[in-house]
Amino acid sequence: GQQVMQIPQYQHVQEGEDFTTYCNSSTTLSNIQWYKQRPGGHPVFLIQLVKSGEVKKQKRLTFQFGEAKKNSSLHITATQTTDVGTYFCAGPISNFNKFYFGSGTKLNVKP
Amino acid sequence: DTGVSQNPRHKITKRGQNVTFRCDPISEHNRLYWYRQTLGQGPEFLTYFQNEAQLEKSRLLSDRFSAERPKGSFSTLEIQRTEQGDSAMYLCASSPPPGNTEAFFGQGTRLTVV
Repeated sequence: GQQVMQIPQYQHVQEGEDFTTYCNSSTTLSNIQWYKQRPGGHPVFLIQLVKSGEVKKQKRLTFQFGEAKKNSSLHITATQTTDVGTYFCAGPISNFNKFYFGSGTKLNVKP
Repeated sequence: DTGVSQNPRHKITKRGQNVTFRCDPISEHNRLYWYRQTLGQGPEFLTYFQNEAQLEKSRLLSDRFSAERPKGSFSTLEIQRTEQGDSAMYLCASSPPPGNTEAFFGQGTRLTVV
């Protein structure tokens, strides 16, 4: 089974509220990637984190990689309806040839 | 469009039939992945190619599944004797060298086995 766990499974927020999704791995990750999948679409790469404790920002999105490189988070400030979709984290397990995806957090934003 | 292309987009087949899907990766990408995604789940790794060599294959992939990338460009995924449990979205992704970089996904092929 998958070794990358993601919570929560669903999140419903009012437009303007913040949103956070968490990703946890049972093993140390060399890096972690985040993807967004819009309803009916395919996963689209957002970012890759490599360094322990790394924090990266993309406009309203803030990505963090834990000090132990076993967990990560994605935080969206002041959500907009365009943020609707499922957010996945993905980590390479054992080697770089395959990525295990978390089960995703489905975000719904009410206008 | 220079993105990852998958054909067909949708396939409905009867149980027991064979199906074949095609993936055309971004031209300079030497790494190609096949994933399967069911409703409410994340993409599940199936197999990985580096150029024409199939280097990884998930234990989830039964003997009914086979993938090829004969010239290191496009890839095909064949499912023989389809079962209802094979119904899913089959996603192809490619990555440029040297590896461990972002994966560019295609639109996927949605398979329905009736």
